Amino acid sequence: DAGVIQSPRHEVTEMGQEVTLRCKPISGHDYLFWYRQTMMRGLELLIYFNNNVPIDDSGMPEDRFSAKMPNASFSTLKIQPSEPRDSAVYFCASRRYRSSGGRGSTDTQYFGPGTRLTVL
Amino acid sequence: RKEVEQDPGPFNVPEGATVAFNCTYSNSASQSFFWYRQDCRKEPKLLMSVYSSGNEDGRFTAQLNRASQYISLLIRDSKLSDSATYLCVVNAYGSASKIIFGSGTRLSIRP
Repeated sequence: DAGVIQSPRHEVTEMGQEVTLRCKPISGHDYLFWYRQTMMRGLELLIYFNNNVPIDDSGMPEDRFSAKMPNASFSTLKIQPSEPRDSAVYFCASRRYRSSGGRGSTDTQYFGPGTRLTVL
Repeated sequence: RKEVEQDPGPFNVPEGATVAFNCTYSNSASQSFFWYRQDCRKEPKLLMSVYSSGNEDGRFTAQLNRASQYISLLIRDSKLSDSATYLCVVNAYGSASKIIFGSGTRLSIRP
């Protein structure tokens, strides 16, 4: 079974350009997450979807960032206009929620390989 | 105070040594705990979940101390291939929005 697929793997763009990152979650997973990782701030949750519906976007840095999930097998994260401080690795992750009663959730997140974004 | 805190390291230990990491969390409502491993320029991958009773997977042992709000990871007989960054992950039960990753502890195993 294929894991989470992200494209592109690397993106270099100039300040002011629009950037679109793509993610295909694992089939059957009902949660999809977008993260950003930098040396300074570590791994930050930007937004997550449950059954294609955005649930919490409080981690999105500002209005320049937007995310969509038109169907269960595809999501995009868009930055418009991009700025140098957006340079980071952007990960998409998916999971299937399973409750294990007293032990809490045993859900595991599976991460894609990430998109390394450089904004010049 | 950060919600999840880890010693960033790096821990530099010889092959075969035993090494332990701790991770503290501030939200007492946290219910699920995990250790992820991240290799250089790769994505994080689940290493193991952490259960209240503690759990072991080969050379790896994870423990949870709810009273003191910390989790630990013990690696015995360390291998060169254990070199990586280890991320502590905490989330409130049933709340995906409360998934918090620690900044990671870097481990380097030397021959």
